[in-house]
Amino acid sequence: GENVEQHPSTLSVQEGDSAVIKCTYSDSASNYFPWYKQELGKGPQLIIDIRSNVGEKKDQRIAVTLNKTAKHFSLHITETQPEDSAVYFCAGTGTASKLTFGTGTRLQVTL
Amino acid sequence: GAGVSQSPRYKVAKRGQDVALRCDPISGHVSLFWYQQALGQGPEFLTYFQNEAQLDKSGLPSDRFFAERPEGSVSTLKIQRTQQEDSAVYLCASSFVTWGFGDEQFFGPGTRLTVL
Repeated sequence: GENVEQHPSTLSVQEGDSAVIKCTYSDSASNYFPWYKQELGKGPQLIIDIRSNVGEKKDQRIAVTLNKTAKHFSLHITETQPEDSAVYFCAGTGTASKLTFGTGTRLQVTL
Repeated sequence: GAGVSQSPRYKVAKRGQDVALRCDPISGHVSLFWYQQALGQGPEFLTYFQNEAQLDKSGLPSDRFFAERPEGSVSTLKIQRTQQEDSAVYLCASSFVTWGFGDEQFFGPGTRLTVL
């Protein structure tokens, strides 16, 4: 099955700086890679996703890049704001729809 | 519109008790997933329904765990004879697409189960 590794586990940045979170996956058949943001006491919420036929996708301050050859994908957040503070999870689908999640990155944006 | 709802939000059970966790998916969503999230970890897949059919239950940790979705809408996750290691947040997610296609899964707020 799919195995997703994520790092760093914690990330602290100053407001306005950029944050980068990286993930690797094992199943070359994986074709869908979402990123979820989870705030305390809430369920994960999709912030951006990318499919295997695309190398990069951007949505305002958030971008995701995918390198299929190296089997890794990254989340980039620019101009970070305090409300970006949360736990972020990457995920992959393997050959089915079920998501295999990374272990999470706790992002703290300081003033 | 309404999102995925789960009830109860919190459940405390004594070791050995049975519990039932409910999920109301977004109306019209074909796919329904259950995940288990231990403290400080990412969610882990438990089981999947396409309408009323349970197509994948490979993630259920033991035969004490049972899930159903009899009418293809509301789903219930039941845990029999709860153990302390069952303590976790149980997340439900629904999706419009069918099995085999990756697409956004909408998550509920979860049920936090604590087994004493």
